[in-house]
Amino acid sequence: GENVEQHPSTLSVQEGDSAVIKCTYSDSASNYFPWYKQELGKRPQLIIDIRSNVGEKKDQRIAVTLNKTAKHFSLHITETQPEDSAVYFCAASIGWGSGDKLTFGTGTRLAVRP
Amino acid sequence: KAGVTQTPRYLIKTRGQQVTLSCSPISGHRSVSWYQQTPGQGLQFLFEYFSETQRNKGNFPGRFSGRQFSNSRSEMNVSTLELGDSALYLCASSLESATNEKLFFGSGTQLSVL
Repeated sequence: GENVEQHPSTLSVQEGDSAVIKCTYSDSASNYFPWYKQELGKRPQLIIDIRSNVGEKKDQRIAVTLNKTAKHFSLHITETQPEDSAVYFCAASIGWGSGDKLTFGTGTRLAVRP
Repeated sequence: KAGVTQTPRYLIKTRGQQVTLSCSPISGHRSVSWYQQTPGQGLQFLFEYFSETQRNKGNFPGRFSGRQFSNSRSEMNVSTLELGDSALYLCASSLESATNEKLFFGSGTQLSVL
């Protein structure tokens, strides 16, 4: 089955700096790669997702890049703000079919220092 | 629209007991999926229901089961509880699929097994 590894497990940055979280996946058939943000005590929320026919996607200060050859994808947050402090989860799935499931990484706890 | 609603919010049980958790999806969403969240393990997929049928299942023992009703509401049952079942159980709803579109998560049920 699919295995998703996420690094680093914790990340501390100064406000205004950039943060990068990396994930690798094992199943070359995976086609859908979402990122979820979970603030302390709250439910996970989708912040951005990318599909395998796209190499990069941006949404304001957030961007995701995908390298299908190397089977890894990354979340980039620029100009970090204290409200970006949360746990971020990457995930991967084939995106169709019986037996498919969304496999999550173990999460990255991001702390943005004011 | 109302968000995804999970009840109860907290549960305390003892080993050997069974428990039923409930999830009401966003109106119009037909897919409901369940996840177990524990510190260090991230989010682990339990199962997905669509049109009252289990579409996908994660790597959990048969003590974990679920069902979906005609109004898309879903329940999850855990029998013969073990200490290791203590976790936050999250459900998520989506329009058609848990593996290739945005998931809307509930607030979760925090289960403690003593």
